[in-house]
Amino acid sequence: GQSLEQPSEVTAVEGAIVQINCTYQTSGFYGLSWYQQHDGGAPTFLSYNALDGLEETGRFSSFLSRSDSYGYLLLQELQMKDSASYFCAVWATDSWGKLQFGAGTQVVVTP
Amino acid sequence: DTAVSQTPKYLVTQMGNDKSIKCEQNLGHDTMYWYKQDSKKFLKIMFSYNNKELIINETVPNRFSPKSPDKAHLNLHINSLELGDSAVYFCASSQDSGPSEAFFGQGTRLTVV
Repeated sequence: GQSLEQPSEVTAVEGAIVQINCTYQTSGFYGLSWYQQHDGGAPTFLSYNALDGLEETGRFSSFLSRSDSYGYLLLQELQMKDSASYFCAVWATDSWGKLQFGAGTQVVVTP
Repeated sequence: DTAVSQTPKYLVTQMGNDKSIKCEQNLGHDTMYWYKQDSKKFLKIMFSYNNKELIINETVPNRFSPKSPDKAHLNLHINSLELGDSAVYFCASSQDSGPSEAFFGQGTRLTVV
């Protein structure tokens, strides 16, 4: 089976940088995804890392280290609209068709 | 055009009733999913279908029965509703059954009273 761990909540001020860590345990996986969900909304895709290293998409970056079973999502120049839940998720090689999510990290951005 | 649409958005019903949630995707994806999100926001996969065939069934009570009439539709029927079934149910789709972006519907908030 698989398990993913991420912090439950992070609070930061506008303009700051936040890093959300995700550690995972899985016998094999294709890569690590990140999703954003605003209150009352649907999860939306942010990024996918199949290879080790940093992927940058605007203010958001995602990192993966397969050897450490670890990844993170970096939110830069925080804006109020970034207040949301952020989920890491894995596609496991031993469960084709199963995208498994972590418990989510609530990011609260304050003025 | 909505990529993944599910109806209804809200559903309030009494214990013991039977209800259905419908989902349609117009993305041409091969794989569709049902997820349950509880009050703690944990997203748990329930079912996964690829080209109308069930590929993942995550030990969901058999009161829950998914049906996929074609690869663009995946409906969820729930029998004998219980209080613990109250949650937000999300339908999603992806191009493949493996690593690809998943697109989610807007969710159906089910409240069992």
